[in-house]
Amino acid sequence: GAGVSQSPSNKVTEKGKDVELRCDPISGHTALYWYRQRLGQGLEFLIYFQGNSAPDKSGLPSDRFSAERTGESVSTLTIQRTQQEDSAVYLCASSLPRGGSYEQYFGPGTRLTVT
Amino acid sequence: AQSVTQLDSQVPVFEEAPVELRCNYSSSVSVYLFWYVQYPNQGLQLLLKYLSGSTLVKGINGFEAEFNKSQTSFHLRKPSVHISDTAEYFCAVSELSGGYNKLIFGAGTRLAVHP
Repeated sequence: GAGVSQSPSNKVTEKGKDVELRCDPISGHTALYWYRQRLGQGLEFLIYFQGNSAPDKSGLPSDRFSAERTGESVSTLTIQRTQQEDSAVYLCASSLPRGGSYEQYFGPGTRLTVT
Repeated sequence: AQSVTQLDSQVPVFEEAPVELRCNYSSSVSVYLFWYVQYPNQGLQLLLKYLSGSTLVKGINGFEAEFNKSQTSFHLRKPSVHISDTAEYFCAVSELSGGYNKLIFGAGTRLAVHP
């Protein structure tokens, strides 16, 4: 079946502009995660959605970052007033709900470049 | 807070040689451990995972890892590498928090296999 998809694959934006990144999880995966991967670094947890529960936003680095999820499907990560330090690859992952295999399936990522 | 240390940022190795990628974690509670691989310009793919049971875990592409609780380590090994194994490898630990799998990643180890 289809894996996790993300769009756009690449995004170049000017400093101060807003951007929206999209993630389509695997069908049936109620858990969805966003991570940020800066050049040469590991993955940094941003936010987690599980069904209709309140999301865990503890990893969002500032109030310029927000994310929404429509039911148990598409999620969008929005970065307002982008800064150069926001340049990174943004990865989305989905998994089965709690009690599952705990494996997270990752999308190919969106490479964001802020000029 | 949990942390993951990957002791080598880069590991060069010749084709058909054995390789070990080291990973140590800090945790005082039961953990689940993972190794992910990221090929150039692709998303992360699960290599193997330790949830419970046998401490020696076998994964895809001939990789295996051994969970050592006393040393809080989860080193990844392969007896004979191929050029196609050239990639970034990430160790990750999770602990059940609020009933979900929040992964904490190491900074990654870049494996470069030379002919």
